[in-house]
Amino acid sequence: GAGVSQSPRYKVAKRGQDVALRCDPISGHVSLFWYQQALGQGPEFLTYFQNEAQLDKSGLPSDRFFAERPEGSVSTLKIQRTQQEDSAVYLCASTPRGAPGTEAFFGQGTRLTVV
Amino acid sequence: AQKVTQAQTEISVVEKEDVTLDCVYETRDTTYYLFWYKQPPSGELVFLIRRNSFDEQNEISGRYSWNFQKSTSSFNFTITASQVVDSAVYFCALSEGRTGANNLFFGTGTRLTVIP
Repeated sequence: GAGVSQSPRYKVAKRGQDVALRCDPISGHVSLFWYQQALGQGPEFLTYFQNEAQLDKSGLPSDRFFAERPEGSVSTLKIQRTQQEDSAVYLCASTPRGAPGTEAFFGQGTRLTVV
Repeated sequence: AQKVTQAQTEISVVEKEDVTLDCVYETRDTTYYLFWYKQPPSGELVFLIRRNSFDEQNEISGRYSWNFQKSTSSFNFTITASQVVDSAVYFCALSEGRTGANNLFFGTGTRLTVIP
């Protein structure tokens, strides 16, 4: 497709379960970002890749969160032993270049509900 | 530290009215970028505009206009003659100008409802 694609769109997990969220960025885009958006809030930065290198993971809330982009295209955000506070929409964005101020293209997000 | 404040949580206007969404930012960087994104119910953030810190020229694009004032650290967004399709949550965001620091700092958003 032409845009950023995320799957699944919705995920319900039991507390303690591991989940994996997938992001397919726009083809050829160098940079990829993950954001977490709690209900009624703005997105908050989690982590950033330039090609396959994870250059910034300062926003990951705990060591239960792990992201990878092994071939510089598709990325997976994994959350281990999910907890209720992990419930949020997880947004992926990509940009064509790694330059500052580049417009980011967002996917529709994955809504994670932990019960 | 970077911070973006959108004091208006929700705004309702009647169709064809003009509406201004406020955004105030804080940063220690001299080079930075400001953005506005629209988030419709589908959830996808849609890019509207980007300004860099050296360009204070106001911009108009159709019914949309932006007023960037460094003196007051504000980057306000006006929709003229609002339409029902403008109903969405609007986010103001800031990114730093340093290489490698490309992530966006978002405000909490303003939910705009345009009543027919």
